[in-house]
Amino acid sequence: SQQGEEDPQALSIQEGENATMNCSYKTSINNLQWYRQNSGRGLVHLILIRSNEREKHSGRLRVTLDTSKKSSSLLITASRAADTASYFCAPKLTFGKGTLLTVNP
Amino acid sequence: DTAVSQTPKYLVTQMGNDKSIKCEQNLGHDTMYWYKQDSKKFLKIMFSYNNKELIINETVPNRFSPKSPDKAHLNLHINSLELGDSAVYFCASSRGTSGSNFGDEQYFGPGTRLTVT
Repeated sequence: SQQGEEDPQALSIQEGENATMNCSYKTSINNLQWYRQNSGRGLVHLILIRSNEREKHSGRLRVTLDTSKKSSSLLITASRAADTASYFCAPKLTFGKGTLLTVNP
Repeated sequence: DTAVSQTPKYLVTQMGNDKSIKCEQNLGHDTMYWYKQDSKKFLKIMFSYNNKELIINETVPNRFSPKSPDKAHLNLHINSLELGDSAVYFCASSRGTSGSNFGDEQYFGPGTRLTVT
């Protein structure tokens, strides 16, 4: 099954800064999703981008998709301490290890 | 109302025992999943059911047996528990199946932390 690989594995920023996380995958997809997981909790769906879309916005989130490079990025603008979590991409049903984002107040 | 619920939240048991984890969703979704998240946070699909039928069965020991009595429930039974089974198990549901026009947005349960001693 297809697995997304997130990069970097960990990211630490100050409140108010932007955070960018990247995802790479190997085979063709219909869509790609991003999820957030707070420590000890289940995953929460953030955004879905379809293979015919290049960019999608949702609030402070911006996702891009480049199917030719088999990569996606998640940008969180004006980060807040509450954004501290692990972020996973899911090209299909298998998730990677995620990016652990820490936003320092 | 809780969308996807799992019981129990914590499960501590000894090697060799048999245990079950229950999952229920009240979203009216057709597809349900079981995932295993190990200590390194790697989240791996185990099974998926669509309308009570098994559609995904990844390489999982046959000690693990999912059962779907109806499309709102997907239980996971584990026989002869081993130390390596210790992990957090997540149940999830989605409206459609992977690659369907509905997309794959999944709703996850809170997880069941299984510790095998």
